[in-house]
Amino acid sequence: QQQVKQSPQSLIVQKGGISIINCAYENTAFDYFPWYQQFPGKGPALLIAIRPDVSEKKEGRFTISFNKSAKQFSLHIMDSQPGDSATYFCAASQPGSNYKLTFGKGTLLTVNP
Amino acid sequence: GAVVSQHPSWVICKSGTSVKIECRSLDFQATTMFWYRQFPKQSLMLMATSNEGSKATYEQGVEKDKFLINHASLTLSTLTVTSAHPEDSSFYICSARRPGQGNSPLHFGNGTRLTVT
Repeated sequence: QQQVKQSPQSLIVQKGGISIINCAYENTAFDYFPWYQQFPGKGPALLIAIRPDVSEKKEGRFTISFNKSAKQFSLHIMDSQPGDSATYFCAASQPGSNYKLTFGKGTLLTVNP
Repeated sequence: GAVVSQHPSWVICKSGTSVKIECRSLDFQATTMFWYRQFPKQSLMLMATSNEGSKATYEQGVEKDKFLINHASLTLSTLTVTSAHPEDSSFYICSARRPGQGNSPLHFGNGTRLTVT
């Protein structure tokens, strides 16, 4: 059972455009939702994270939108740059079990120059 | 800078041998560390939770006798792949979070690429 569903699997955006990646979850006990960026051959790096008590969080060009009633959250990358080309993972965790993270399947983002 | 260090970054071994991967928290003590495995173009799958001073907790389907985890100190966890086979070839990544922060950012190492020939 896939607890965090991520879409699309891949995404191609022109430089300067907006990249949008979506995730949905079923487990209402999840209370922490981070996004990670991973370049080939590297470990994931935390981009931005949100908790369900807010509907939006913005850090620079990266914004998370969170819809608690729909159990969905999304990552928006504004003014996308070729250097943003990477794989993005959404994740979720809940209290207990050491707050272990459950990851989505990932989205391969390609930003064309 | 990096807060979790992993070593080696890549290793090639022959089938049947064992390989040890180290994971260190650099500027904090981690009572818990997590080990993930990632196959090419796939997501991260949690293998086990490493607990300092006690046995690791393995996820369903992960062979604890094959993937030995030792959390020897508050800054070091090791994963030993025993009697490695080609199907164990993968990208292994450890992670940890600063203590006392509950559900807070999980920091990842840069991974270890294991190739079993």
